[in-house]
This record gives sequence, C-alpha cells and structure tokens, in this order.
Amino acid sequence: QTVVTQEPSFSVSPGGTVTLTCGFSFGSVSTSHYPSWYQQTPGQAPRTVIYSTHFRSSGVPDRFSGSIVDNKAALTITGAQADDESDYYCLLYMGGGISVFGGGTKLTVL
Amino acid sequence: QVQLQESGPGLVKPSGTLSLTCAVSGGSIDSNNWWSWVRQSPGKGLEWIGEIYYSGGTNYNPSLKRRVTISADKSKNQFSLKLSSVTAADTAVYYCAAYSTTWYYFHSWGQGTLATVSS
Repeated sequence: QTVVTQEPSFSVSPGGTVTLTCGFSFGSVSTSHYPSWYQQTPGQAPRTVIYSTHFRSSGVPDRFSGSIVDNKAALTITGAQADDESDYYCLLYMGGGISVFGGGTKLTVL
Repeated sequence: QVQLQESGPGLVKPSGTLSLTCAVSGGSIDSNNWWSWVRQSPGKGLEWIGEIYYSGGTNYNPSLKRRVTISADKSKNQFSLKLSSVTAADTAVYYCAAYSTTWYYFHSWGQGTLATVSS
C-alpha cells in the first residue's frame, strides 16, 4: 500500500507559486519525519533541495522553501522558472533506520 | 561533500546476483554517514534499498531485505550492494548516496548505473 503520498502531477505558470505536498498514509507528517525533498530531471541523479523540513541544500535558490502545512510536508516554489520543471520526490524518516520515498510529483512549468 | 561513483556489471541474468560497488572520494567512509543504495526502475520513482554504517550496522527496505546485502570495505573506501535472485523487476538505475545521520537526508549522490536483468 502507498505510505508516503504525493500529487502525481502539478502545473504552474512561469513566475507563479506552487506548493507540492507529502503526506503519510497512517497519520500526520511532523518534523520528526525529517522531511527532505529531491529534484530530478530525466537522465540525471536526484539533487537535494530541502532537508529537515525547511533547510535549503547548498546552492539551492531561495525561491524554494519547505514547511509543514495541514499535517503534510510541503515544498513551495515562489516565482517558478522554466528550469524548475522536474520530478520532485519527498523522503520521510520512519524511525528504526527506515526511510521511504513518496511516489514523486511531475511539475510542469507552462 | 563527498563524491560517489557506482560501478558493476550492466547485465545480470535472471535468478542471478546483482553486484555493485560505490567508490567514495573526498571523504572517508569512516565518517558520520549512512552509506546507502537507492534504485529507480524505468519510468518509476525512487526506492530506498538500504544502508550501512562504517561500523557495520545495516538497515534494509523490508520489501527487499530477504535478498539484499550491503557491505563496506574501509581499506578501499567503498561499499557494495548484492541483490540475489533477481528478476526483470529488478532492472533499474542504481544510485549510491550518502545519508546524513544528523539530518536524515541524502546529501550526496552518485551519478547512477543501469543494471538490466535479462538472459
């Protein structure tokens, strides 16, 4: 069964704001899940965007931000650009040494 | 941040064992990281496979645990993945990655290597 849930797809206009979410099938996402977010374009390795809910990884533009909204982890892109078009994956730490990725969200910028 | 590079056979026969190695550079495998494997089947999402700490402790994805072994070689500053009894469903790009023990996230990734299961 699906444990970590993400929107399959999302669309945003250039310059617009979009919020992708990451939920947990068995309850609320909290900071104790240390939510992290990864950006991936076709044929490339994932790139770390956000870790521990809201910290930006080195070199990530400040238009990317992370938070907890309505019991879900959230990745917000403010002022979306064409090169933000990617797949975005969240990762939650479940405890006991187990981490689980969400199914990913395909973000289109058009 | 460390640099990671995967290597290993690109083709594995069904029912065989997939073996991959990840060379770590720019840092020591004796550092405060969990050394991890993540895979991505064609057109699918990311799947965490498992991890090893330099002291030898391991954690595995429960769905793969029966078939997975991750080991580390401190003398060569590398770690390895073995996945047994492979089927076509194990065809994927396999990434090695460094996982922070402090912040519980992957901070460094290898470029990935495609492993195809086919006769």
